[in-house]
Amino acid sequence: QSALTQPASVSGSPGQSITISCTGTSSDVGAYNYVSWYQQHPGKAPKLMIYDVNKRPSGVSNRFFGSKSGNTASLIISGLQAEDEADYYCSSYRGSGTYVFGTGTKVTVL
Amino acid sequence: QVTLRESGPALVKPTQTLTLTCTFSGFSLSTSGMCVSWIRQPPGKALEWLARIDWDDDKFYSTSLKTRLTVSKDTSKNQVDLTLSNMDPVDTATYYCARMSGGLFLDYWGQGTLVTVSS
Repeated sequence: QSALTQPASVSGSPGQSITISCTGTSSDVGAYNYVSWYQQHPGKAPKLMIYDVNKRPSGVSNRFFGSKSGNTASLIISGLQAEDEADYYCSSYRGSGTYVFGTGTKVTVL
Repeated sequence: QVTLRESGPALVKPTQTLTLTCTFSGFSLSTSGMCVSWIRQPPGKALEWLARIDWDDDKFYSTSLKTRLTVSKDTSKNQVDLTLSNMDPVDTATYYCARMSGGLFLDYWGQGTLVTVSS
């Protein structure tokens, strides 16, 4: 049961935009519009940032944007801020009630 | 206000069975569409989805751990249990429970509980 593939790290300066990719297969990311993204600060529980590919929960900044093309989903963070420094994980439904997470990306604000 | 909290042993020996409890408030697992999932995260590593139990008692498991996992619920107590048999040091991780409410995403998470497997 392979994890979705994410870059290990992405960095950017304050105010810049960064993109985190999440590559799966035609059995998960490519098959369903059920990709979600989670932010995790050190020692904390993950927090939902994006669901159903591009929907933002109430309270999440509109600087976070999600998209998908084929088997790859993306999280774009615009206007990068110091508080955005964290680990980010994508997740996708994989059918038959099962899910898969990505390998995780560490975002560094320079 | 939705809250979830995991509880269970912090240390288990190899070959033992781990039982964790997720106690939640702010929602009912008897409500249509409600589900609770378990996720774990080894130290310094990625999240791994383990299992899900639905309001109608449907259960779903990670393919790779299916033979070792059992999930159950006690709706009257607002609790969901996870058991993982034949524990091994590689099962050392922080275990989280999280809610799904009508969608295929985890909208509320517990704080997690660290379980160490060591003799």
